[in-house]
Amino acid sequence: ETGVTQSPTHLIKTRGQQVTLRCSSQSGHNTVSWYQQALGQGPQFIFQYYREEENGRGNFPPRFSGLQFPNYSSELNVNALELDDSALYLCASSLGAGPLAEQYFGPGTRLTVT
Amino acid sequence: KQEVTQIPAALSVPEGENLVLNCSFTDSAIYNLQWFRQDPGKGLTSLLLIQSSQREQTSGRLNASLDKSSGRSTLYIAASQPGDSATYLCAVLYNTDKLIFGTGTRLQVFP
Repeated sequence: ETGVTQSPTHLIKTRGQQVTLRCSSQSGHNTVSWYQQALGQGPQFIFQYYREEENGRGNFPPRFSGLQFPNYSSELNVNALELDDSALYLCASSLGAGPLAEQYFGPGTRLTVT
Repeated sequence: KQEVTQIPAALSVPEGENLVLNCSFTDSAIYNLQWFRQDPGKGLTSLLLIQSSQREQTSGRLNASLDKSSGRSTLYIAASQPGDSATYLCAVLYNTDKLIFGTGTRLQVFP
């Protein structure tokens, strides 16, 4: 196991609602990246936080937002949920944001939007 | 556009076979390439990471190679076992902020 934890493991929401997913980094890691993995697809990069600041963003609308806290844990917030937001949401932590920083993934949160 | 492609999409082999999974990427200016394993409904387990300056990495029965000039990587699994059954994902790091993943190869090893 990587030491990266996510909560909750599963979540069911209704279209239009808001959701918050949480991620605790591996000890000593200061960078967190979030990915969305739709069924049968590879993960897609949402955004990355480095030392509490957003450090890059993928092709996701503004209703996907995030936070990183002083202890380097992180939240992913999604507003106005749509059916297509149903996916496995993965977070990954790393020490630093450079190319040598290997990312370690958590077990994911399975979000179902009905 | 930076894309990662994996072939085949699915593979079913008998136990004991040696097998090769393929990954190709459109832009050769990579920082590193990583192979992951994903069990159904689970997170990702890193198998091997190859820096752009390296040609291959080995871990147990796994060997990953990297050819930047041709935009290709292969994951070689020796003496496959039923426990190797999973989806294998290839991911490339272009910028410092995001991994770009392929859609994976779903492997089934039957006894």
